[in-house]
Amino acid sequence: DTGVSQNPRHKITKRGQNVTFRCDPISEHNRLYWYRQTLGQGPEFLTYFQNEAQLEKSRLLSDRFSAERPKGSFSTLEIQRTEQGDSAMYLCASSLGTSSETQYFGPGTRLLVL
Amino acid sequence: AQSVTQLGSHVSVSEGALVLLRCNYSSSVPPYLFWYVQYPNQGLQLLLKYTSAATLVKGINGFEAEFKKSETSFHLTKPSAHMSDAAEYFCVLGGNEKLTFGTGTRLTIIP
Repeated sequence: DTGVSQNPRHKITKRGQNVTFRCDPISEHNRLYWYRQTLGQGPEFLTYFQNEAQLEKSRLLSDRFSAERPKGSFSTLEIQRTEQGDSAMYLCASSLGTSSETQYFGPGTRLLVL
Repeated sequence: AQSVTQLGSHVSVSEGALVLLRCNYSSSVPPYLFWYVQYPNQGLQLLLKYTSAATLVKGINGFEAEFKKSETSFHLTKPSAHMSDAAEYFCVLGGNEKLTFGTGTRLTIIP
């Protein structure tokens, strides 16, 4: 069990640029989640996948955000035309597949939009 | 609707003293409740979880929490604080496929 990994760990970009983050879940986990954490707040749910199917998206996920999990393994989160308000920690988690199962979190990708 | 309220964004206790972090929840479905800890520059780590098996839940590092349905509470305690307990603690509500986090309590340990 190598844990959930996320890349990059830090990203600085200019407003208007596109960014993409990657998450590699624990290998046998079929559920993958994305959360966003801003300073002084708890993480907020963005979206989740069961295998390759995206089952739910938060209203926080504007049309500039898109997430994929093409083969049911790793996932990518892309933000197009970044805005300063997108600056946050983006967290990925994975679990075995029911709502009572523990979600294991990665270290996060910290995004700063200048 | 799902919501979690953590009372006290900052709590300070002396080393060796009791730690009590308060959490209340609101849920329209049977809740699953978790406490996660976040150490500086590290990811979220599970401390303990309640999934309806037993109301008193024991976790790692000497922490425990008691589920009280009548009070809709899930307070976290530790009998004797250690310097290494300094971190951000999140009470988290599950039960509808995603997690709902409280705003967190930063625990400071006074030597």
